[in-house]
Amino acid sequence: DAKTTQPNSMESNEEEPVHLPCNHSTISGTDYIHWYRQLPSQGPEYVIHGLTSNVNNRMASLAIAEDRKSSTLILHRATLRDAAVYYCIDDMRFGAGTRLTVKP
Amino acid sequence: NAGVMQNPRHLVRRRGQEARLRCSPMKGHSHVYWYRQLPEEGLKFMVYLQKENIIDESGMPKERFSAEFPKEGPSILRIQQVVRGDSAAYFCASSPLSGGEGYTFGSGTRLTVV
Repeated sequence: DAKTTQPNSMESNEEEPVHLPCNHSTISGTDYIHWYRQLPSQGPEYVIHGLTSNVNNRMASLAIAEDRKSSTLILHRATLRDAAVYYCIDDMRFGAGTRLTVKP
Repeated sequence: NAGVMQNPRHLVRRRGQEARLRCSPMKGHSHVYWYRQLPEEGLKFMVYLQKENIIDESGMPKERFSAEFPKEGPSILRIQQVVRGDSAAYFCASSPLSGGEGYTFGSGTRLTVV
């Protein structure tokens, strides 16, 4: 069973920032935190990952709490193409994910 | 540099037949993971393999399902005597290490049991 918990759904307006939260209540000291997203009828797509420090890449930023029990995926300016189901994982198991809807 | 290759993309089997799903990991990746996704649901972990070894099969159903990752060739997920409830998308992922550098997913095999 999944070890992470996320809200079922979130909404955002286009061009606005989005903060997607995740709780990692049972994360171990060596588990990386990964974020993926999935569009309909496609395989999951890697977004970002980190261990302890905050991370930035061209797609998003990842903020990791000091105790590592939570993380937040930040999309700085949501576009319609960012509408997807977003998953956070800290071992091999996926939760139900957050379905992000982006309104024009 | 090809990504994770899964075939076939679509597979139709009659109840009671066997289904074989293949996964070729990315070049240089020696860890393979299989997931099942039922319609409108999230991905469920099934099994984690390295070459010639099953590391974690805690997500595999106890009967009819098996997986292997031989020294040569792709990883195979085998489902014997398929039933309608096996209809799902099956995704394979690979990684160079034990997940620390992230997983790269294939496009999946969509199994339909009729």
